[in-house]
Amino acid sequence: ETGVTQSPTHLIKTRGQQVTLRCSSQSGHNTVSWYQQALGQGPQFIFQYYREEENGRGNFPPRFSGLQFPNYSSELNVNALELDDSALYLCASSMDSLGNEQFFGPGTRLTVL
Amino acid sequence: QKEVEQNSGPLSVPEGAIASLNCTYSDRGSQSFFWYRQYSGKSPELIMSIYSNGDKEDGRFTAQLNKASQYVSLLIRDSQPSDSATYLCAVGGSNYKLTFGKGTLLTVNP
Repeated sequence: ETGVTQSPTHLIKTRGQQVTLRCSSQSGHNTVSWYQQALGQGPQFIFQYYREEENGRGNFPPRFSGLQFPNYSSELNVNALELDDSALYLCASSMDSLGNEQFFGPGTRLTVL
Repeated sequence: QKEVEQNSGPLSVPEGAIASLNCTYSDRGSQSFFWYRQYSGKSPELIMSIYSNGDKEDGRFTAQLNKASQYVSLLIRDSQPSDSATYLCAVGGSNYKLTFGKGTLLTVNP
């Protein structure tokens, strides 16, 4: 059984650029949730994808968008990057969208200069 | 009012002692409760889940849930230096998302 994987590990972008982060869910999981974790804070929910549909969204602006593919892998896209977008971006997969355990990938550290 | 609150710590215990970590939450509709361990520079690792009132034990870890008091705790028995990490409490409601506290930094001193 393979765990959750994310790419890239680290990324440096400049303000105004766009970025795409990728996530492969754990085998047998059909739900992917994305979180943003700023330094010294707990993860903040961005959105969740279940069977290729957005299943809920946190308090993030529309420039944060995502996709889920038929194999349940997912992408997080952020447009018009701002300095405050610098954070650890975490992907978590779960068996379904009903509140079961979520397992995190290693994360992508994004730095916006 | 913050949705999930934890003492930020640091909580310092000697090796072999019991570490007690606490969490309160505001949404009475919450249905699922989780403890994650996060080492510095790493992602959160699920260590305990609990869904009903009472205690749940797994090895050296015991999670306790009291829905009436809106309180969740994690006890770590026989604490080891390798337990030194930030412990995140996460709460799931009738919707889809987990709401996390800021985490408690635990240091176990040899």
